[in-house]
Formats: sequence, structure tokens, C-alpha cells
Amino acid sequence: DVVLTQTPSTLSATIGQSVSISCRSSQSLLDSAGNTYLYWYLQRPGQSPQLLIYLVSNLGSGVPNRFSGSGSGTDFTLKISGVEAEDLGVYYCMQATHAPLTFGSGTKLEIK
Amino acid sequence: QVTLKESGPGILQPSQTLSLTCTFSGFSLSTYGMGVGWIRQPSGKGLEWLANIWWDDDKYYNPSLKNRLTISKDTSNNQAFLKITNVDTADTATYYCARFGPFDYWGQGVMVTVSS
Repeated sequence: DVVLTQTPSTLSATIGQSVSISCRSSQSLLDSAGNTYLYWYLQRPGQSPQLLIYLVSNLGSGVPNRFSGSGSGTDFTLKISGVEAEDLGVYYCMQATHAPLTFGSGTKLEIK
Repeated sequence: QVTLKESGPGILQPSQTLSLTCTFSGFSLSTYGMGVGWIRQPSGKGLEWLANIWWDDDKYYNPSLKNRLTISKDTSNNQAFLKITNVDTADTATYYCARFGPFDYWGQGVMVTVSS
């Protein structure tokens, strides 16, 4: 199975600060057709996960543009440019290039 | 508007079969390219993908659960189902269904406890 390693596991930020979360894959997520099936989700406390970013860098519907995704191959990054209070929660990356689908272990964002 | 809602037994005993239902609206599992997946999350832990079913009845399972999983659908009633046989305490979790977009819309989740 593909292992996705997220760092850091916990992140503390002040309002307005920019932060980045890394997601490293144990193998390349680029498939033979040239697609990279890497996604980011946010799970706020007590809520279901919600899609933030699809296919590495595309913003999900209704997602604020302070969120951005980048990367290729095995290294991917989620950036929040100007953290807001509503951004607290656990962030997960997920890959769908290789079966079975796998999630990273999560990064908890705390607001100072 | 896309919505999904899970339902299940709440509590069951070890060795029993867990039956979950996902009732959705705003899309159809008879539409080309559509799929629904099941994901679970033990309390305080991360997400684990379990299975997907597609519009053409293609199915994919997480091999870590070996042959315990069965996913199915009822297109006419906009429902998807998941059965897990021979449950034990390790299957205690919140179970989510989500539209495979992938997983662009999620249900609220249903808590399942396996206890004797």
C-alpha cells in the first residue's frame, strides 16, 4: 500500500499567519496517463471531512482561495495563506492513484 | 444539492454482521462516472478507506479487510450499502459514505460500537 507521511503532525498558528503542510508518498502518484490523484481534506472538530483540493492543485467548490496545493511525484504541499479561526481542525491528504486508496495520518492545526 | 446520510445499527456484538445504508440525493448512481465510497474513523484516529461502488456496478475493496466487505447499491432508491461480516471491537468507528469525486460530498457519519 502507498504510505502518505504528513508533517508536521501538529501545527500552531496565529490568525493571519501563513502555514504549510507536507505530504510525502512512498511511491510516485503520477499515473501512466499523466494524472496525479492527490487530494486534501479538512476535518473540523465534530464534523465530517470536507474536500479542499483535488488533483494536487485545484480548489474545491466553495473553498476560500487562501488555500492552495502544489507538488508532483512524491512530494506535495498544502498552503494556507493567512490562517483564519475557522481553519482549525485536522488536515488529511489522500491518494487515489494506487489501490487501495490511502490517507495520510493527519495534521492538526491549532490556533494560538 | 448533494446530500448523503448514513444509517446503521448503533451497537452490535462481536461476530455479527454490520449492515450500513447510505441514502443520498442530488446525484444518481446510474449516471456515468458516479461512485460512492465508504470510509471509517475510529474515535480520535485517522481515516480508513473501505470500499467504492461505481455507476456500472464495478466495486473496489480495501484488501486489509480481506473478504469481510460487500458493497452494493439500489439505484432506483438512491442508496448504497456496506456489509462487514464477523465484526470485532476493532470495527468500532464512525462510518462515512461519500460521493466519489472523489469524496467531494460526505455524510454526517454514523457511529458503530462493537461490544459484548
